[in-house]
Order: sequence, then structure tokens, then C-alpha cells
Amino acid sequence: AQTVTQSQPEMSVQEAETVTLSCTYDTSENNYYLFWYKQPPSRQMILVIRQEAYKQQNATENRFSVNFQKAAKSFSLKISDSQLGDTAMYFCAIKYQGAQKLVFGQGTRLTINP
Amino acid sequence: DAGVIQSPRHEVTEMGQEVTLRCKPISGHDYLFWYRQTMMRGLELLIYFNNNVPIDDSGMPEDRFSAKMPNASFSTLKIQPSEPRDSAVYFCASSWGTPRTDTQYFGPGTRLTVL
Repeated sequence: AQTVTQSQPEMSVQEAETVTLSCTYDTSENNYYLFWYKQPPSRQMILVIRQEAYKQQNATENRFSVNFQKAAKSFSLKISDSQLGDTAMYFCAIKYQGAQKLVFGQGTRLTINP
Repeated sequence: DAGVIQSPRHEVTEMGQEVTLRCKPISGHDYLFWYRQTMMRGLELLIYFNNNVPIDDSGMPEDRFSAKMPNASFSTLKIQPSEPRDSAVYFCASSWGTPRTDTQYFGPGTRLTVL
């Protein structure tokens, strides 16, 4: 069974700082996808970044990047130059290739302070 | 594109009443998902459809829950009768079919409160 663990329930940093959110997962599959979703106070689930497990290159989307360590089953999210609008819950999720079910971690509540 | 649309955004009802949540997926998407989010259990997949056909409903908690997708642009999740423990945020999500099935796009959610 797939499991996703986010070991940091809450984090808080100052605006413009860099912050890294941790995520580890457990799977016996070789082909899968990993995601980070953001849930601001508006409650909307917003895709931040995705990573295909077969790609060695880490995904990057503007200020957001991941550190994907397949052997260690680790998938951390780095937010550079953090902004007040980054304040949200962040969820890590995994999905097998060919399957449809997304398995989510419990989330990390990130607060960006002015 | 307008994204996934859900209605209502908020629903407050009394125990025993029937509740119907609605979803319009992104046009062209072949898959539709219903999730429930609670503090205790986090985000859980309830059921998903492919081309309007229910594929996996193993996450539906009880027979009180039912979901339908009468056409490609509309789905409902019904709870009858509702109970206080059904209080949660219910999300609808959709994605493309094969081979682009990896990313699910979520609607804004419906916050359900059952008194």
C-alpha cells in the first residue's frame, strides 16, 4: 500500500526567506507520479508542482522546486523568496502510473510572516 | 477554461435530511473524482468515474452515500440521510484520459455542516 508522510505539521518563516517542506513516501511500484498541492484559506486545492518518478531531473516551477530522491523515497518542496501569498496548507501526494487514486499526506501548515 | 465547478460552496443541513452536491468537470476531461476532507482522516477518495461510468467506489463510507454521472459535464454526490459525522469538505476533481491521466484538477470544494 502507498503511504505518504509529512513530518512537519507546521512551519513558519519570514517573507523572502527560503523554506523546505519534507515528504517521504512508501511504495513498491517503480512508475508513479508525485505532486505538491497548495490549499490556501480559500480552501481551493491548487497544483503547485509535479514530478514523474522516471525523470531524474528535479521539477521546477518559478519559485517552487523539488528535491526528488527516488532511492530514499523522499520528495521535498523548496519555496524560494517566500511571499505572503504562499501561506497555506501544503499536501504531498502520490499516484501510480496507470492508476487513478491519489494518496495524500496529512499536510504541512506553512505561514509566511511579514 | 473555467476549471472544475462545484455547488453549493457551503451547505448547512439538519441530521436526517438529504444533501446533494454538484460538480461540473473541466470540459474534455474523462475522469471525475469525489474526495472528502476531514481533520481526522485528511483527504480521502470516495469514488471516481471514467467516461461517466463509476470505476471504483470502495471509498464510499456507507450506503447512505451515492454518486452519479449522467453525462460528461455533470456529477452529483448524494447523502441520504445525512448525519453529523458527514460534516466535511467535499471536493470534486477531474483529469484527462490516457495517456495524460497523471494530474487531477480540483474544484473549490463544498463545506458541508450537518447539525
